Amino acid sequence: VQLVQSGAEVMTPGASVKVSCRASGYTFTNYYIHWVRQAPGQGLEWMGLINPSGDIKSYAQKLQGRLTVTRDTSTRTVYMELGSLTSDDTAVYYCARDAGAIWLGEKGLDFWGQGTLVTVSS
Amino acid sequence: IQLTQSPSSLSASVGDRVAIACRASQGISNYLAWYQQKPGKAPRLLMYAASTLQSGVPSRFTGSGSGTDFTLTISSLQPEDFATYYCQQLHTYPYTFGQGTKLEIK
Repeated sequence: VQLVQSGAEVMTPGASVKVSCRASGYTFTNYYIHWVRQAPGQGLEWMGLINPSGDIKSYAQKLQGRLTVTRDTSTRTVYMELGSLTSDDTAVYYCARDAGAIWLGEKGLDFWGQGTLVTVSS
Repeated sequence: IQLTQSPSSLSASVGDRVAIACRASQGISNYLAWYQQKPGKAPRLLMYAASTLQSGVPSRFTGSGSGTDFTLTISSLQPEDFATYYCQQLHTYPYTFGQGTKLEIK
C-alpha cells in the first residue's frame, strides 16, 4: 500500500491550493481517505474525509466553506483543495487511509502519505 | 469531542515503563487509536479499537480503556520509542486528536 502526495507549494494569502494523493497497492474503492494537517511545531489536526464512492464527505467545522475533498477513481487519486489561504494554513498536509474499509473508524488510519508542505506567505 | 492527553511531555530512560493517558470529553466506546510520530515523518498507527495492536508493532506497546479514559503503556522503553504520541477518537465527527505527548530521553 502506498499513498504518494504532490510536492510542496508556496502560496500567497487569499489563494487556493490543491494537493493530490495517489493510491496504489490496494482496492481503492473499498477505503475512505482522511486529510490531516500539522502546523510547524504543532499537533495533528483532522481536516476531513471522503468515502470510497466520493459521495459522502465530512469536513471539520472550522474549515467548512474553504475545504473541498474529491476523488477520481479512474486515476486512484484523492484531492484536497483549501481556499482563502492565510498564514495560519501553513502546514504539512497528509492524506491517510482509514483501515476499517466500510467499518469506518474502527481500525484507525493505517497508511499515510509522505506529507505535502504548504507555505502561505506574501 | 475534545481529547486531553497527559502528560504533555515525559522524560524517561531506556528500560523504563511509561504510561500516557488520553481522556475524552464524552464517551467514545472504544473508537480510539494511538499514533507515534518522529520528527519529519508521518504518524504511524500503533493501536486501534483502544487495545488492538496494529500489525508489526512490538508487543511492549499495550492499550487499555473504554468510554472516556484510555491509556497507552510502553513496558520497557527502547531507544526507537522516543517520539511524540497522539491519541485520536474516531467515534464522532470531527475525528479529533489529542494535543500530543512528547517522550524524551532522560
